[in-house]
Amino acid sequence: GAVVSQHPSRVICKSGTSVKIECRSLDFQATTMFWYRQFPKQSLMLMATSNEGSKATYEQGVEKDKFLINHASLTLSTLTVTSAHPEDSSFYICSASGGEISGANVLTFGAGSRLTVL
Amino acid sequence: GQNIDQPTEMTATEGAIVQINCTYQTSGFNGLFWYQQHAGEAPTFLSYNVLDGLEEKGRFSSFLSRSKGYSYLLLKELQMKDSASYLCAVRDSNYQLIWGAGTKLIIKP
Repeated sequence: GAVVSQHPSRVICKSGTSVKIECRSLDFQATTMFWYRQFPKQSLMLMATSNEGSKATYEQGVEKDKFLINHASLTLSTLTVTSAHPEDSSFYICSASGGEISGANVLTFGAGSRLTVL
Repeated sequence: GQNIDQPTEMTATEGAIVQINCTYQTSGFNGLFWYQQHAGEAPTFLSYNVLDGLEEKGRFSSFLSRSKGYSYLLLKELQMKDSASYLCAVRDSNYQLIWGAGTKLIIKP
């Protein structure tokens, strides 16, 4: 089945630094990848849709200059949290459509990245 | 606006059966998904319904009624490892996934 690899799984950084999270589709090409954010005990919040070779589409309220997304190839999308602050601490998850299961275009998720900003 | 409602938390006993409900109001409908998410991990796909009726897959079944905007996930022969959050998501007319807040299922021995 489709596999999405996300790295790093955990990262701790100082306030003001930038952090890059990578998301790779391992056995399929992903024209579109999705970046989610999840706070404790809350549901997934779509941050942006990453399109290979073009600019990402950001959801309302998500700062595109703070959360830089690059989708340079069909198998790799990156999310960079620039000048991170403690309020950016969260669980970031990427996903891609890995093909059809039971007739549905199903999202496959990466393992997630836990960001803690001190 | 678009909305997905599901209970915040449920408790059940090992070996028993539990039903997790999900109601939705969305602009259009192109399928309903159930995902399982263990604490600190990413969601994993469980089931997909696009037509009315029951889809059975082992110990898990999912039901859909489009006219009622309603779905449920049925878990049988509960095991301790089933303790997780269960997320209901609906794909709307723009093929955007609208996520519910998730139901935390606690399994007791």
